[in-house]
Amino acid sequence: SQTIHQWPATLVQPVGSPLSLECTVEGTSNPNLYWYRQAAGRGLQLLFYSVGIGQISSEVPQNLSASRPQDRQFILSSKKLLLSDSGFYLCAWSVRGRGNQPQHFGDGTRLSIL
Amino acid sequence: RKEVEQDPGPFNVPEGATVAFNCTYSNSASQSFFWYRQDCRKEPKLLMSVYSSGNEDGRFTAQLNRASQYISLLIRDSKLSDSATYLCVVNTDKLIFGTGTRLQVFP
Repeated sequence: SQTIHQWPATLVQPVGSPLSLECTVEGTSNPNLYWYRQAAGRGLQLLFYSVGIGQISSEVPQNLSASRPQDRQFILSSKKLLLSDSGFYLCAWSVRGRGNQPQHFGDGTRLSIL
Repeated sequence: RKEVEQDPGPFNVPEGATVAFNCTYSNSASQSFFWYRQDCRKEPKLLMSVYSSGNEDGRFTAQLNRASQYISLLIRDSKLSDSATYLCVVNTDKLIFGTGTRLQVFP
């Protein structure tokens, strides 16, 4: 069966520090991969998605970036965090090449910026 | 107008009650629909897909009305463990998540 791992579970970072969140998927090949952010009391906001290695699409302008160095690895990064980057970050995967498929989420990373 | 709209609730219902949530969407080209469940401070989990003819999974029934552009979720015989936020999700060229409807089931 497919599993998705995301770490760390919680993170407290000072403003201006760098960020790296990692997500890996097991049990499937060539998945679509996604990064979302959920601010407190708000809906899910799609940040990035990827349909293949090195292929990243950005949904909203921000100081975050994403990379996909391997088929089942997706990384979310920032060079300098802002207070507004606080939130619940979720990685998700779906079956590639088949429309109308649901997405499956990792456990999430709760990021607090001080 | 939001792409996906839900009543935020909360819906407070006693155990054993039947409760229904509606969700409206704006893009008539939407192709697939889902309900997710999200517990407090946890990730969303797929509850069920919503099919054109309507579908049922145990105590849960989902309906789709394309003409009126809304989907619904019916929960029968509510359990305490059903307490959560229910997210309506619509797929056009990407998944669009509603902000969720909060359900609280009390003893």
